[in-house]
Amino acid sequence: QKEVEQNSGPLSVPEGAIASLNCTYSDRVSQSFFWYRQYSGKSPELIMSIYSNGDKEDGRFTAQLNKASQYVSLLIRDSQPSDSATYLCAVEYSNYQLIWGAGTKLIIKP
Amino acid sequence: ETGVTQTPRHLVMGMTNKKSLKCEQHLGHNAMYWYKQSAKKPLELMFVYNFKEQTENNSVPSRFSPECPNSSHLFLHLHTLQPEDSALYLCASSQEGDGELFFGEGSRLTVL
Repeated sequence: QKEVEQNSGPLSVPEGAIASLNCTYSDRVSQSFFWYRQYSGKSPELIMSIYSNGDKEDGRFTAQLNKASQYVSLLIRDSQPSDSATYLCAVEYSNYQLIWGAGTKLIIKP
Repeated sequence: ETGVTQTPRHLVMGMTNKKSLKCEQHLGHNAMYWYKQSAKKPLELMFVYNFKEQTENNSVPSRFSPECPNSSHLFLHLHTLQPEDSALYLCASSQEGDGELFFGEGSRLTVL
């Protein structure tokens, strides 16, 4: 069974600190990995995609991928209260098919 | 209108009713999806259409019936649902199957 695991949280981080969100996956052949953000009562929105081992930076967000260890993480620097949301990790299983984690709820405390 | 729009946003129906959810995308994408989101559970892919052709049907009960008349519109026809079908139903679109999905705001369904 192909799975994506995330700690459900909530993860509480002080404003201005670094928030670190982690995700592990079971399918070794997966090549594409995504982080989506979902605000309460809203739909998911894509914030980062990563396809190669290493780090990918976009503004305050950094995605990290380690295929050998089968984990992908998302770092949020200088966390803001507006970053409070549920973060969903998704891993491509095949064309058109993503396997989703249940999400980590992040709370940024002012 | 821009992005992906879904109607209705909220729907309450009895177990014997027939209703439909509608989705429209204005992004020029060629793939459209129906997902089910239940509390504390991962998103569940229900159906995928690529250029109007259904490419995935993840063992969804027949009381859910999708329809894709063209690459911009997607419907989910509902009949004789069960209370456990109560959930948020999300429509999404993408260019090819690249995993970069654009979601609509969802239709919150309650089955009494």
